[in-house]
Amino acid sequence: DAKTTQPPSMDCAEGRAANLPCNHSTISGNEYVYWYRQIHSQGPQYIIHGLKNNETNEMASLIITEDRKSSTLILPHATLRDTAVYYCIVRVQNDYKLSFGAGTTVTVRA
Amino acid sequence: NAGVTQTPKFQVLKTGQSMTLQCAQDMNHEYMSWYRQDPGMGLRLIHYSVGAGITDQGEVPNGYNVSRSTTEDFPLRLLSAAPSQTSVYFCASSYSQDLKAFFGQGTRLTVV
Repeated sequence: DAKTTQPPSMDCAEGRAANLPCNHSTISGNEYVYWYRQIHSQGPQYIIHGLKNNETNEMASLIITEDRKSSTLILPHATLRDTAVYYCIVRVQNDYKLSFGAGTTVTVRA
Repeated sequence: NAGVTQTPKFQVLKTGQSMTLQCAQDMNHEYMSWYRQDPGMGLRLIHYSVGAGITDQGEVPNGYNVSRSTTEDFPLRLLSAAPSQTSVYFCASSYSQDLKAFFGQGTRLTVV
């Protein structure tokens, strides 16, 4: 059972904001939303995570809807180096396992 | 502080051979894990460990063994390599209560 649903691909113009949606309609109250990305041929890289409040760090912002059934990762000013596969993952904090789906392939174009 | 280091980066094996993929971390992380990634797919968990002396199976453990004798090291052993084990292998580590995982750069394994 897939816990998250993401679009398979999306394009973004360099310098513009990239908004990556994720649907997690069956999320439980104690499950967090995590985002990772994988640049070609490299190991995955942690981006951000949240429970119910919106979160922001130096890489991105995470917007979680009030019912927690969906979220959006925002890359505020996409660069060519942001071209990668982005994974949305839900998990409880004490569950060490990361379940990766197919993710969204984001291509940033000049 | 090197993070998570995997060796080798590339390896070609013949069917039936055995080998060990090495993973070491210098962040004193309790949790370590191994994933495999096949072309065009997401990562799948092979084995994981929540501390020295403790290991458990993940989603696709068959054909692989692990041990965790120290906090720093978590080697993955292929007992008898098969072409189906051709993949990219990633090792990851994290603190037990902080699930921000750090990944190594991967080992690209080809079994012929």
